[in-house]
Amino acid sequence: ELKVEQNPLFLSMQEGKNYTIYCNYSTTSDRLYWYRQDPGKSLESLFVLLSNGAVKQEGRLMASLDTKARLSTLHITAAVHDLSATYFCAVDRETSGSRLTFGEGTQLTVNP
Amino acid sequence: EAGVTQSPTHLIKTRGQQATLRCSPISGHTSVYWYQQALGLGLQFLLWYDEGEERNRGNFPPRFSGRQFPNYSSELNVNALELEDSALYLCASSWVAGHPSGTYEQYFGPGTRLTVT
Repeated sequence: ELKVEQNPLFLSMQEGKNYTIYCNYSTTSDRLYWYRQDPGKSLESLFVLLSNGAVKQEGRLMASLDTKARLSTLHITAAVHDLSATYFCAVDRETSGSRLTFGEGTQLTVNP
Repeated sequence: EAGVTQSPTHLIKTRGQQATLRCSPISGHTSVYWYQQALGLGLQFLLWYDEGEERNRGNFPPRFSGRQFPNYSSELNVNALELEDSALYLCASSWVAGHPSGTYEQYFGPGTRLTVT
């Protein structure tokens, strides 16, 4: 059974600081995704990582994938309040029919 | 291009009733997925439909069922509602696996919040 674990689950940080969210998964995966969810809202796609060593950046967020370590990271640079949200990583395997298995989510709060 | 749409936005039912939730995928997408986000339980995969067929099912009882129509829209039915069915139900759509676009990325709708009293 594919399991996905994120840490930390809660993260409170000051504006301007850097931090990293980690996503570990238990078995070989075909694809890894990062989503953002604001309170009461749906999921917004941030990154899709398809291969070992993939790195993608958008603004203050950068995601990377190490398939050998079964680890993805979401790095936040110089955080701003607008980044406050819950971040989910998710993986899928074509053999399981493209169903996404989600991590528990990391609730990020950026304080002024 | 319109995104994934879901209706209704909110739904309030009592225990034992049936709920019907609807989803329209992004134009061109043939796969529709349903997920449940219940408090404290995270995001759980419910059902996957493609080309009108149920392709995969999560670990949910049979009273959770659905269908996909010829226009690729989908319906999720929950029978004999229980209090623990209260959750945000998210629908997502994607290209089918093997599509030339390659990513199979799932795009999520705004969700239907179901409250069972």
